[in-house]
Amino acid sequence: AQTVTQSQPEMSVQEAETVTLSCTYDTSESDYYLFWYKQPPSRQMILVIRQEAYKQQNATENRFSVNFQKAAKSFSLKISDSQLGDAAMYFCAYTLGDSNSGYALNFGKGTSLLVTP
Amino acid sequence: GAGVSQSPRYKVAKRGQDVALRCDPISGHVSLFWYQQALGQGPEFLTYFQNEAQLDKSGLPSDRFFAERPEGSVSTLKIQRTQQEDSAVYLCASSKPGLAAYNEQFFGPGTRLTVL
Repeated sequence: AQTVTQSQPEMSVQEAETVTLSCTYDTSESDYYLFWYKQPPSRQMILVIRQEAYKQQNATENRFSVNFQKAAKSFSLKISDSQLGDAAMYFCAYTLGDSNSGYALNFGKGTSLLVTP
Repeated sequence: GAGVSQSPRYKVAKRGQDVALRCDPISGHVSLFWYQQALGQGPEFLTYFQNEAQLDKSGLPSDRFFAERPEGSVSTLKIQRTQQEDSAVYLCASSKPGLAAYNEQFFGPGTRLTVL
């Protein structure tokens, strides 16, 4: 079975500090896409950042960046200069299936991030 | 707003009742997905539509679950004879035209179903 593992159920960070959320995955595919989604308490899931597996360069989006280690099947998310609004559940995911499944997402169980003033 | 909307936001059903959950995707989005998110878990894929065609229903947990998207826009997820294990948040997502795996999925706020 193809799985996504987020080993940190909860993480805490102080405002303005940096935090890294870990994610490992298991797939037999060579080409796939990886995502981090954020789910605030209101429950609307929002895309944070995405990475194409065939690209070696790590993706960055403002304060968010990833450390993608393809051989290790690791895809961690780094949040720099943390803000109170970053508090949420963070889900790691990768595309599952093929064009017939519309590239549905396979999610991990999530990491709850708490940001303290 | 132009986001994905879902209704109702909350639904309480007695065991054995039928329920219908509605999803309004972003206008023009070809792809539509349904996910089930149990408490404390990540979303799990249920089914996928490309326009009105249901191309993948491999994630539907039983034949009590049925989804449709007859005109290629609004979708309804129906659960017959609800059971307590059906209690979860049901998320709908849509994405832009095309089948690129890189496409961002836009999620609705979800419907929280509680079966008593």
